Amino acid sequence: ETGVTQSPTHLIKTRGQQVTLRCSSQSGHNTVSWYQQALGQGPQFIFQYYREEENGRGNFPPRFSGLQFPNYSSELNVNALELDDSALYLCASSSKTGVDYGYTFGSGTRLTVV
Amino acid sequence: AQSVTQLDSQVPVFEEAPVELRCNYSSSVSVYLFWYVQYPNQGLQLLLKYLSGSTLVKGINGFEAEFNKSQTSFHLRKPSVHISDTAEYFCAVSETGSARQLTFGSGTQLTVLP
Repeated sequence: ETGVTQSPTHLIKTRGQQVTLRCSSQSGHNTVSWYQQALGQGPQFIFQYYREEENGRGNFPPRFSGLQFPNYSSELNVNALELDDSALYLCASSSKTGVDYGYTFGSGTRLTVV
Repeated sequence: AQSVTQLDSQVPVFEEAPVELRCNYSSSVSVYLFWYVQYPNQGLQLLLKYLSGSTLVKGINGFEAEFNKSQTSFHLRKPSVHISDTAEYFCAVSETGSARQLTFGSGTQLTVLP
């Protein structure tokens, strides 16, 4: 079975720009969650998508938005980038919405905002 | 809301020595508990999880953890570490009710010395 694939692996953007990060779920998984991991910190929950609908959101402003497609792949969009958005963005897929069923994490996209 | 405190940011230990990584959590409701490992430039891999039942949980790579409800702790242990165990370890918690998001601690860098 394929794992979770994220693209790109690294990205440099300028403050104020917009960025789109992509995630391909593991085969058979219909739920995708996104996390932000700042340097030296643990990951923080951004939101979860289940069957193309947002299914929970963490404490992130509306300029963080997402999409899930019929094939369960997902995008994370961030508008009006700020320096503090520099982080590793992790995508995790699962076969059910509950964390107790187990997540498979991708290797992440490292975003640097300058 | 729940929170996780990992008491040690860095733990150096010699190869074949035992190790304990400490984790305390705070929550007003019942929780699930997890330990994840992150190797450099990689995503998170689940080591073990406590959902219910026996408070001693065994995971992959010889790790185990004990849930102590009265102490609100979930410490990770391994009786004999290897160089390959060098990585960042994250403790995480989720409320059993919604269980849609993980709240992570800030991580413990385990460095195994030859």
